[in-house]
Amino acid sequence: QKEVEQDPGPLSVPEGAIVSLNCTYSNSAFQYFMWYRQYSRKGPELLMYTYSSGNKEDGRFTAQVDKSSKYISLFIRDSQPSDSATYLCAMSASSGNTPLVFGKGTRLSVIA
Amino acid sequence: DTAVSQTPKYLVTQMGNDKSIKCEQNLGHDTMYWYKQDSKKFLKIMFSYNNKELIINETVPNRFSPKSPDKAHLNLHINSLELGDSAVYFCASSQNSGNTQYFGPGTRLTVL
Repeated sequence: QKEVEQDPGPLSVPEGAIVSLNCTYSNSAFQYFMWYRQYSRKGPELLMYTYSSGNKEDGRFTAQVDKSSKYISLFIRDSQPSDSATYLCAMSASSGNTPLVFGKGTRLSVIA
Repeated sequence: DTAVSQTPKYLVTQMGNDKSIKCEQNLGHDTMYWYKQDSKKFLKIMFSYNNKELIINETVPNRFSPKSPDKAHLNLHINSLELGDSAVYFCASSQNSGNTQYFGPGTRLTVL
């Protein structure tokens, strides 16, 4: 079993839809959880960062962490064509000098 | 100003050659990383340097040798290139006390 599992998609939704992206993980030591967005032929850019369990909201994006289930989610409300990208979850056990363990990424297309 | 930059952006070379990829960050970060993203978009850590010292060296063939001349630069030298080395290589950096990583645009390496 891989440390981090993420459905690769592709996921195609109409503009305005609510999108739910998910990752599961096996390492209970993970405490820091991130979502990165990667446009085609670009580097990943940090979208959301959460520590431990709970929710975090930033505009149309909400990140949820459920450590008891080892499950994290990213919700995108009112999705736009500009949200079309690959979304990668990433996590680590500690802060600082720690490599991130990434999921394989979910490719999202938002159709106008 | 580009925060994390890499050169070259594209690299096409023959099997058996030696090549280098350069990375520079102007964020004042202490820690720099090299990641490899394969054809299936899986992003995996290769090396990490903190204040010019190697701190993480994942299971990577010793044909790959990172070098950090100063905190702002981390270069990757690859000897005797093989077909399986074809991938996109990403440099990233983070502040010592945190694990929010900023990625460069990537170097797409193709070995023929």
